[in-house]
Amino acid sequence: NAGVTQTPKFQVLKTGQSMTLQCAQDMNHNSMYWYRQDPGMGLRLIYYSASEGTTDKGEVPNGYNVSRLNKREFSLRLESAAPSQTSVYFCASIAATTLYEQYFGPGTRLTVT
Amino acid sequence: AQTVTQSQPEMSVQEAETVTLSCTYDTSENNYYLFWYKQPPSRQMILVIRQEAYKQQNATENRFSVNFQKAAKSFSLKISDSQLGDTAMYFCAFMPHFGNEKLTFGTGTRLTIIP
Repeated sequence: NAGVTQTPKFQVLKTGQSMTLQCAQDMNHNSMYWYRQDPGMGLRLIYYSASEGTTDKGEVPNGYNVSRLNKREFSLRLESAAPSQTSVYFCASIAATTLYEQYFGPGTRLTVT
Repeated sequence: AQTVTQSQPEMSVQEAETVTLSCTYDTSENNYYLFWYKQPPSRQMILVIRQEAYKQQNATENRFSVNFQKAAKSFSLKISDSQLGDTAMYFCAFMPHFGNEKLTFGTGTRLTIIP
């Protein structure tokens, strides 16, 4: 039982490049989330998915797209990276059966130069 | 929309002492959950403690306890007998009972335990 896994752990991009951050969970959770963490700002919700096939915007969705490929996987895509997207990205999942504890992945540190 | 405020960006305390981290929130919801998450230097987010708003009794988990004041919309975390391993960022978070289980986080408190 690996919990929530994210790849890659580190990435450096040039402005304008694209990339996809991968997230998978093996806990059969319905809801999955993408957050970004910036110094002094806590974690902010980018997108979430309440169930397979559904996605919705969070607080800071601009510049990102997501895909809920199946129940296990929820990917985050940066189509044209900008320096403002330099951040640490966390994926998380949740289940009501665990009293709504969100389980987090280890994070991806992304630098856009 | 909900907001969560942590007014102490940094705190430090001697090992074995007790420390209290503050959190206030704003919501019009009546049923919700509150959480404290710990983020050590490893970056991993770890749940410390949770409180359901309909429960009047304050939650406790070993050395960690909360003071939940629903009317004042206050949710502080008390760490007793602090240990070096408690050094971390601590985030307070709010989740409404209904509404896609979205978490709203505060900006965090960096806690340093001094040996």
